[in-house]
Amino acid sequence: DAGVIQSPRHEVTEMGQEVTLRCKPISGHNSLFWYRQTMMRGLELLIYFNNNVPIDDSGMPEDRFSAKMPNASFSTLKIQPSEPRDSAVYFCASSYSGDTFFGPGTRLTVL
Amino acid sequence: GDSVTQMEGPVTLSEEAFLTINCTYTATGYPSLFWYVQYPGEGLQLLLKATKADDKGSNKGFEATYRKETTSFHLEKGSVQVSDSAVYFCARDSGGYQKVTFGTGTKLQVIP
Repeated sequence: DAGVIQSPRHEVTEMGQEVTLRCKPISGHNSLFWYRQTMMRGLELLIYFNNNVPIDDSGMPEDRFSAKMPNASFSTLKIQPSEPRDSAVYFCASSYSGDTFFGPGTRLTVL
Repeated sequence: GDSVTQMEGPVTLSEEAFLTINCTYTATGYPSLFWYVQYPGEGLQLLLKATKADDKGSNKGFEATYRKETTSFHLEKGSVQVSDSAVYFCARDSGGYQKVTFGTGTKLQVIP
């Protein structure tokens, strides 16, 4: 299995631009999680889905953030407009039987 | 709510030293407990887990025992290597849908 796949691995953008992060979970996993990691705040859970349905988005910091999961094999996290304080590593993770598998992350830099 | 508390880092050890990273969890329900490891520039990886009281999880020389009486799940390794340098996260499952609550992470640096 290829594991959780995230793209892009690195993204550099300017403040005000739209950013879309993509994730392909492990086949057969029915839960998907988006995390953000920074030095200041550590690992934060932003939103998670079960069977493609958003369960809890209370970790999404602002309305500028949105996430979708149109099918079992694809999810996106969008930031519009982006701000410098959004700079972080964003991880997607998936789970089926309680073991959570993380992707390699997308390092986002907003200038 | 559910939470996990682990010791502050960084922890610096010499190669072949004994490692302990303390972790305690809130005692709501009967959670499964996990240790994850994050190497530089990578995502978190499951290191070991335990699903019920007195279970011992082990992997790559690391061990942790699920202690219900002390609500603890301390990570140990008898002899660390430079390659063990990483950030270690203690975690518990919380609620449904396989959601996991993570501790703040403990950075381990092993020097030759």
